Amino acid sequence: DTEVTQTPKHLVMGMTNKKSLKCEQHMGHRAMYWYKQKAKKPPELMFVYSYEKLSINESVPSRFSPECPNSSLLNLHLHALQPEDSALYLCASSPGVAQETQYFGPGTRLLVL
Amino acid sequence: QKEVEQNSGPLSVPEGAIASLNCTYSDRGSQSFFWYRQYSGKSPELIMFIYSNGDKEDGRFTAQLNKASQYVSLLIRDSQPSDSATYLCAVPRQAGNMLTFGGGTRLMVKP
Repeated sequence: DTEVTQTPKHLVMGMTNKKSLKCEQHMGHRAMYWYKQKAKKPPELMFVYSYEKLSINESVPSRFSPECPNSSLLNLHLHALQPEDSALYLCASSPGVAQETQYFGPGTRLLVL
Repeated sequence: QKEVEQNSGPLSVPEGAIASLNCTYSDRGSQSFFWYRQYSGKSPELIMFIYSNGDKEDGRFTAQLNKASQYVSLLIRDSQPSDSATYLCAVPRQAGNMLTFGGGTRLMVKP
């Protein structure tokens, strides 16, 4: 089973709202990732969690706040977003962090009004 | 020079032909290479990965790696209209597992 799930599938929020994106995997993977993808562009890495600890933050604005409650779950808390933050947000996981295969979830399509 | 480069396309091939997708990378320390397929509006789906120089075949797909030339390619034999998608080449940065993606090549297979 190489399934990563994400909820919600779609999200519309205003610039003053607070919302959260959720990601779950039950493959026993020890690394989880958040990516942002704009239309006609490749995914851009935002955060990496390794063994439930934040190991990489690619200079992401503080209005995006990741959280890893346990080894299977990854959240992305959103607050005071801008319209330019509208994108497809992808979660991925990999068995470890030694240049290993990453499996992507279906993504959350976010629209900020 | 970009870390991972691909021709953006579109690459148009007739049904049944071989589609050849190319990718170059700059980090000589890279050890593994991934090809993802992404349909419009969907998430990337792993197609192939390759670690060693040479060819790796999986069904209609063949990945080719030449580390000396820093070049990795994906061949799709007997192309089908359902293969029409954007193909992303991904290379982990030398330290850790941060994937760097090429810009993607859009493939169009015409019936």
